[in-house]
Amino acid sequence: NAGVTQTPKFQVLKTGQSMTLQCAQDMNHEYMSWYRQDPGMGLRLIHYSVGAGITDQGEVPNGYNVSRSTTEDFPLRLLSAAPSQTSVYFCASSRNRGERNTIYFGEGSWLTVV
Amino acid sequence: GQQVMQIPQYQHVQEGEDFTTYCNSSTTLSNIQWYKQRPGGHPVFLIQLVKSGEVKKQKRLTFQFGEAKKNSSLHITATQTTDVGTYFCAGGAGNQFYFGTGTSLTVIP
Repeated sequence: NAGVTQTPKFQVLKTGQSMTLQCAQDMNHEYMSWYRQDPGMGLRLIHYSVGAGITDQGEVPNGYNVSRSTTEDFPLRLLSAAPSQTSVYFCASSRNRGERNTIYFGEGSWLTVV
Repeated sequence: GQQVMQIPQYQHVQEGEDFTTYCNSSTTLSNIQWYKQRPGGHPVFLIQLVKSGEVKKQKRLTFQFGEAKKNSSLHITATQTTDVGTYFCAGGAGNQFYFGTGTSLTVIP
């Protein structure tokens, strides 16, 4: 049981480039989300999805797109990378949106934009 | 809007000393969860508290949920080097999680 799998683990981008962070979970979870983690700012929610075909914005959505075509996959797209998007990105999933569900995090993707 | 504040941001302790991190919400929470993130790792679920005034223990870790369900604490007794990492609280309300900013714990051998 792999849990939540994120790729790539490390990536360096030039300003203006686009890329996709991949996320897959094998727990049949309805709820998936993306967070970014910056020093002193904790985990900030970028986008989330409550099921296939349904996505919504979190706290810091600008510059990012998501889609949820299947229950398993929830990719995060950076449209035109900026240095401010240098961060560690975590994909997460839980059984459903309810706040009493455990959140399972992927191992993280370290992104540097130069 | 909903906010969950966590203090302190950083804590350095000598091995064997105790450690406490505090989580405070501006509004009443449904529940509180605690996560631990080892350096270079990802957050991992530790525990969930749901009831007002609830206290739970995991070996040297003691977790409390306030009577008003607006605050919580994590206390580690006699820290060890394996306790190093960042501890996050996550307050639940209205089908959302609100993460605290985390407390980074350094344990000096």
